[in-house]
Amino acid sequence: DQQVKQNSPSLSVQEGRISILNCDYTNSMFDYFLWYKKYPAEGPTFLISISSIKDKNEDGRFTVFLNKSAKHLSLHIVPSQPGDSAVYFCAARPGGATNKLIFGTGTLLAVQP
Amino acid sequence: DAGITQSPRHKVTETGTPVTLRCHQTENHRYMYWYRQDPGHGLRLIHYSYGVKDTDKGEVSDGYSVSRSKTEDFLLTLESATSSQTSVYFCAISETGGIRTNEKLFFGSGTQLSVL
Repeated sequence: DQQVKQNSPSLSVQEGRISILNCDYTNSMFDYFLWYKKYPAEGPTFLISISSIKDKNEDGRFTVFLNKSAKHLSLHIVPSQPGDSAVYFCAARPGGATNKLIFGTGTLLAVQP
Repeated sequence: DAGITQSPRHKVTETGTPVTLRCHQTENHRYMYWYRQDPGHGLRLIHYSYGVKDTDKGEVSDGYSVSRSKTEDFLLTLESATSSQTSVYFCAISETGGIRTNEKLFFGSGTQLSVL
């Protein structure tokens, strides 16, 4: 039973346009959400996060939005660059002092020059 | 970059043989984790450790065991490898295990394991 879902396996956008990656979750007890980026043959690297008490967090070209009532979060990348091409994983942390993150299945983003 | 080294980076083995993967960290973090990545499943937690000799099971622990005799090393053992354990294995570390609300996991570069 997948508690964190990324329903789009892949996404293709043009350079300079906005990329929107989506993530849905089922457990209302999740208290912290993260996005990781993964290049081939490398480990996932942290990109941006958001606490469940916020609805938006921004870091440069990357913004994460959280809609708790819909149990949905999204990652916006503006403007998209070819170097952003990677697999993006959404992750959620169960409530309490635990870092046993639960990951989504990932979305492969391809930014076309 | 977090100082995490996984070895080997690639391994091919036969069904029924034992395999041990190693994770070594230089950050002196207390918490260490083993995840596996498979298409259609994302990353799933196998085992984790919250201190030397302190370990616990994750979501997909069957067929795997772990050991942590030193802070810096976390070993993952497949007692008798099966083809379903063909995967990419990632080690991760965190400093406080989630006590700090904004804490994140740092990942190693992974081990590609093929069981034939």
